[in-house]
Amino acid sequence: GESVGLHLPTLSVQEGDNSIINCAYSNSASDYFIWYKQESGKGPQFIIDIRSNMDKRQGQRVTVLLNKTVKHLSLQIAATQPGDSAVYFCAENTGAGSYQLTFGKGTKLSVIP
Amino acid sequence: NAGVTQTPKFQVLKTGQSMTLQCAQDMNHEYMSWYRQDPGMGLRLIHYSVGAGITDQGEVPNGYNVSRSTTEDFPLRLLSAAPSQTSVYFCASSIRDRSYFGPGTRLTVT
Repeated sequence: GESVGLHLPTLSVQEGDNSIINCAYSNSASDYFIWYKQESGKGPQFIIDIRSNMDKRQGQRVTVLLNKTVKHLSLQIAATQPGDSAVYFCAENTGAGSYQLTFGKGTKLSVIP
Repeated sequence: NAGVTQTPKFQVLKTGQSMTLQCAQDMNHEYMSWYRQDPGMGLRLIHYSVGAGITDQGEVPNGYNVSRSTTEDFPLRLLSAAPSQTSVYFCASSIRDRSYFGPGTRLTVT
């Protein structure tokens, strides 16, 4: 059968446009969510996080939205730049001092100059 | 601060060989962890440690051993490498819910 996860979802956007990357999480008990950016050949790099008592959090050019009803997370990148090209992962953490992260499969963002 | 460092960057092993992947952090974080990343997938937790002398299993611990004798170091041992362990391995250290990842070790088992 087909192996889940071998084909990475991709998103291509024009430089200057906004990007929206989506993620579905699995554990209703998760109370902390993080978005990571991974450039080729490097480890994941923290972008932004959000706790389950919030619906929205903004950073510099990035916004994370959390919909606990449907267990959905999104990352919005404003004015996407070529340097934003990378694979983006969402991760969930059950909190309470636990640092065990469960990662989504990732989305590859390609920015067209 | 160097952050989280990992050695080696690349390694090729034959089936049955053993090796240790090194991980060190200079941020004095109590929590450290090892993940593996397979093509087209997110990271999966192998083992973690909440402090010196304390380790526990993650999602995919089989075939790997860890120990934590100091706060700074958290080595990952493969006792008898198998082709299924071909992957990229990332070490992370964490504090206040924030995890910092090393640059990774790309391991190929033939």
